[in-house]
Amino acid sequence: GDSVTQTEGQVALSEEDFLTIHCNYSASGYPTLFWYVQYPGEGPQLLFRASRDKEKGSSRGFEATYDKGTTSFHLRKASVQESDSAVYYCALSEGQQGTGSKLSFGKGAKLTVSP
Amino acid sequence: GGIITQTPKFLIGQEGQKLTLKCQQNFNHDTMYWYRQDSGKGLRLIYYSITENDLQKGDLSEGYDASREKKSSFSLTVTSAQKNEMAVFLCASSMRWGPKNTLYFGAGTRLSVL
Repeated sequence: GDSVTQTEGQVALSEEDFLTIHCNYSASGYPTLFWYVQYPGEGPQLLFRASRDKEKGSSRGFEATYDKGTTSFHLRKASVQESDSAVYYCALSEGQQGTGSKLSFGKGAKLTVSP
Repeated sequence: GGIITQTPKFLIGQEGQKLTLKCQQNFNHDTMYWYRQDSGKGLRLIYYSITENDLQKGDLSEGYDASREKKSSFSLTVTSAQKNEMAVFLCASSMRWGPKNTLYFGAGTRLSVL
């Protein structure tokens, strides 16, 4: 079945550090890939999505590029801030509009940024 | 904009007890979901409802029942709470059922079983 693998469970950085959170997926066809972010005490919210090979999603300084060759959608940010501390989930959804499919989430990466 | 309201925010139960969690959305979305969130395990789908009169089992449905009372509300029942169980239950909705739809989540119900 479809699955998402996030290797980092915890990420600890200082402000202005470069961030990479890895996401690899296993799916047939062309799934839609997502990054969701969950701040303390809140539910997850969409950061951005991508649905085609080489498509870049971006929001709030975060970005990720859909790479079908390496089956990856790694999250990156050039300079993190303390306010970016949150849990980041990679997710995928297969299928066509109208048929639909379930969203599969990775295990999440907890980012802690120190001032 | 809209909001998803989950009640209660905190739920403490006894082993073997039947517990009900409620979710309301005012987005006028067709599709609603219940996810379970465990530390280190991500989000796992329990039940979903594509439209008002639909109910579908997710990957983690055993031990749970769900009910879509009307378009705006979706409840989840833990049929027999397990001792020492601790988890967060997240309700979500999306405009419709489809692979590119954004899910909007509530803040969650935190369950502890004594």
